[in-house]
Amino acid sequence: KAGVTQTPRYLIKTRGQQVTLSCSPISGHRSVSWYQQTPGQGLQFLFEYFSETQRNKGNFPGRFSGRQFSNSRSEMNVSTLELGDSALYLCASSLEYTDTQYFGPGTRLTVL
Amino acid sequence: GIQVEQSPPDLILQEGANSTLRCNFSDSVNNLQWFHQNPWGQLINLFYIPSGTKQNGRLSATTVATERYSLLYISSSQTTDSGVYFCAVEASGSGTYKYIFGTGTRLKVLA
Repeated sequence: KAGVTQTPRYLIKTRGQQVTLSCSPISGHRSVSWYQQTPGQGLQFLFEYFSETQRNKGNFPGRFSGRQFSNSRSEMNVSTLELGDSALYLCASSLEYTDTQYFGPGTRLTVL
Repeated sequence: GIQVEQSPPDLILQEGANSTLRCNFSDSVNNLQWFHQNPWGQLINLFYIPSGTKQNGRLSATTVATERYSLLYISSSQTTDSGVYFCAVEASGSGTYKYIFGTGTRLKVLA
């Protein structure tokens, strides 16, 4: 069974632009979570979607948003990019809402 | 919110040595996982262990939920074990965040 895939793997943007990242979960998994990893703040939870509904949201500004489609694929969007948004963005999927999480390879975003 | 602390922050071992990594958490949890992050950033699932003991080859883990800690044991370490080890917990109760990650233990195994 294919693992979690994320696209694109690398992205360079400039301040003020917006970006959309995509995550395809393991087949059959219904929960998708997003995390941001930076050297200073470590791994931080962004939000989680289960059956197209946002179930949990971390402590991030409204510039960070996401959605989940009926096939469980998920996208996250960051608007009005700031230099501090440079990070590795990781997506994880799980079969059910409370279950083992499996992570994708991540998207490395650089904001110039 | 729940606090997750890992120790030691850094660890250097000779190949073949054994080690114990610790994860302390400040409140009751629904779930706990251990991950290994490789140099390319990929988080690899090691154990899903909200309580009890599990073993997988040279790795084993124990979580004592009542005392709010978990241990990851690495035996006969190899250079490929190098990387950062994270524990992550999902707190009990409604309206909580998904996994809260510890700050990690950076392990370097020397040949």
